[in-house]
Amino acid sequence: QKEVEQDPGPLSVPEGAIVSLNCTYSNSAFQYFMWYRQYSRKGPELLMYTYSSGNKEDGRFTAQVDKSSKYISLFIRDSQPSDSATYLCAMTPYSSASKIIFGSGTRLSIRP
Amino acid sequence: DSGVTQTPKHLITATGQRVTLRCSPRSGDLSVYWYQQSLDQGLQFLIQYYNGEERAKGNILERFSAQQFPDLHSELNLSSLELGDSALYFCASSPRRDYQYNEQFFGPGTRLTVL
Repeated sequence: QKEVEQDPGPLSVPEGAIVSLNCTYSNSAFQYFMWYRQYSRKGPELLMYTYSSGNKEDGRFTAQVDKSSKYISLFIRDSQPSDSATYLCAMTPYSSASKIIFGSGTRLSIRP
Repeated sequence: DSGVTQTPKHLITATGQRVTLRCSPRSGDLSVYWYQQSLDQGLQFLIQYYNGEERAKGNILERFSAQQFPDLHSELNLSSLELGDSALYFCASSPRRDYQYNEQFFGPGTRLTVL
């Protein structure tokens, strides 16, 4: 079983919809939780990171972490065609910030 | 543009060969990380260097090695290549050490194809 599980999709939604992306994990030592966006043929770029449990909002993006359930989510409001990309969840324990464990990624397509 | 550069963009080679991938971190960043991204394994951490010294190892094969030079650029050497080594190889850099979280900035990647 992988340490981080992420539904690979693909997920296709109409423009303006609310998108929900999720990951589950098994290692209770994870403390930092991240979401990366990767456009085709590009490197991943960090969207948001959260330390421990709670919510964090940045514009149209909201990240949620529920450590008791070992479950993290990324919500995208008012989705735009430019949001079409692969979204990777990632996490790391406090003591080993370099060893980031990535989910397999969810491919998202926003239909105009 | 993250500021991390990688060369070459594409590399096609044959099984059994050896290749070297190069990475230049963002100006001022001391840490360099190497990742492998394949369809079946996803994005996997290989190795980290900080200011010239190896700091952390992930799922890096013994056929693979890396180093970071005094000017902070890094090279990933892949030898005795196998078909399964075909993948995207990313380099990332960050400014601080690994005992606190810090953002990693990814380069555009090198696509390696082993025939």
